[in-house]
Amino acid sequence: DVKVTQSSRYLVKRTGEKVFLECVQDMDHENMFWYRQDPGLGLRLIYFSYDVKMKEKGDIPEGYSVSREKKERFSLILESASTNQTSMYLCASSQDALGTQYFGPGTRLLVL
Amino acid sequence: GQQVMQIPQYQHVQEGEDFTTYCNSSTTLSNIQWYKQRPGGHPVFLIQLVKSGEVKKQKRLTFQFGEAKKNSSLHITATQTTDVGTYFCAGTSTDSWGKLQFGAGTQVVVTP
Repeated sequence: DVKVTQSSRYLVKRTGEKVFLECVQDMDHENMFWYRQDPGLGLRLIYFSYDVKMKEKGDIPEGYSVSREKKERFSLILESASTNQTSMYLCASSQDALGTQYFGPGTRLLVL
Repeated sequence: GQQVMQIPQYQHVQEGEDFTTYCNSSTTLSNIQWYKQRPGGHPVFLIQLVKSGEVKKQKRLTFQFGEAKKNSSLHITATQTTDVGTYFCAGTSTDSWGKLQFGAGTQVVVTP
C-alpha cells in the first residue's frame, strides 16, 4: 500500500512565523503535490514537483515556497505565516503526472 | 483558466434512495478522476475515466464521462450510510499537463 505521511496533524502558529510542512511518500513516486482545502473551495493546488529539485507553481503559489531535495520528501514553506493561510494542507503523490494521486492525512494549520 | 464545477454542493439523501452528482469543465479534459473524502479523512481515489462516453461501475456507483469530455457524473443507487462523505471530481485539461483541477465537491449526508 502507498503511504503518504505528513509531519503534523495539527499546527498552531503566530502571524509572521516561518512554517515548515513536510510530506514523505514511500512508493518512489515521481510526482508530489501540495494542496490546501477550504470549505466550499475544494482542493486548490499550491505547488507540485515532477522530479527531485524541480518545482512548478500551481494555482495559488503566492505566500508559499517548496523544496524537494530527495525524491521521497516534499516540503511546503510559509515564509511569513498570515491568518489567511489558516487551512487544511494536503500532500499527495503519484507515479504518473495524470495518474492516481495518493493523499496524506493532512495538516490542519491555524495561524493566530 | 480551466475550471471544474460540481453540483450540487450539498446532497441530503434518504437511505435507500438514488442520487447523482455532476461535474462540468470549462475545457476539454484528458481524463477525469473521482475521489471520496470521509468526514475527518483525506481524499481517496475511486476511479479514473479516460475515453469519451466511458461508463464504469463499482458496485452501487456508476461513473460516466461525457461524449465531449467536458463533463462527468457519479450516480449512487440504494444509498447507504457508508456513502457519507464528500465526493470530488478532478480533471486534467488537455493544455495543462500535470495539473489536476479539483471541483469544490459534493457533500453527501445520508439519513437513516
